[in-house]
Amino acid sequence: EAGVVQSPRYKIIEKKQPVAFWCNPISGHNTLYWYRQNLGQGPELLIRYENEEAVDDSQLPKDRFSAERLKGVDSTLKIQPAELGDSAVYLCATTGSSTDTQYFGPGTRLTVL
Amino acid sequence: GQNIDQPTEMTATEGAIVQINCTYQTSGFNGLFWYQQHAGEAPTFLSYNVLDGLEEKGRFSSFLSRSKGYSYLLLKELQMKDSASYLCAVISKAAGNKLTFGGGTRVLVKP
Repeated sequence: EAGVVQSPRYKIIEKKQPVAFWCNPISGHNTLYWYRQNLGQGPELLIRYENEEAVDDSQLPKDRFSAERLKGVDSTLKIQPAELGDSAVYLCATTGSSTDTQYFGPGTRLTVL
Repeated sequence: GQNIDQPTEMTATEGAIVQINCTYQTSGFNGLFWYQQHAGEAPTFLSYNVLDGLEEKGRFSSFLSRSKGYSYLLLKELQMKDSASYLCAVISKAAGNKLTFGGGTRVLVKP
């Protein structure tokens, strides 16, 4: 069974530029999470989806961050415009209805110059 | 709010045992996870405890005491490949089953 797929794996941009990350969940996993992980720290939740509905976006900086999961499968996370402090690894995780265990993708390492 | 504490770093020798402690404060506790994360890679699931006691899985064991808000991850017969960060994470019903992570403990295994 394929795991959570994320792309790109690495992205380097200049500040004020836009950037987007893509996540494809494990087949059948209805719940999808986006996390941000700074170096030497644990992941911090940005947004959680149940199917296509964002059920917890309280920690998403809505002035510059947006996310969507239009058909309840793939999801994209966008930053516009990016700031230096956005440099981090952005992780996508998914879970199925019968478990609370979250399975993580490899992440996208973003560097903002 | 929730608070999760674990040591920043630990060093141990190959073949030895290391115990990583995690203390937490949360309302509506609904389970505790341990994840392993190698540098530059995704966190991978190690264990899940929701009831008090010890869960053993090969060389790794995880213990939970809900009354003390305490868990530990025990790594036995350490191997070089066990050098990684170990993340303690708590799931809270009060927070809509949100998973909150500690800062992680970086374990360095030396020959």
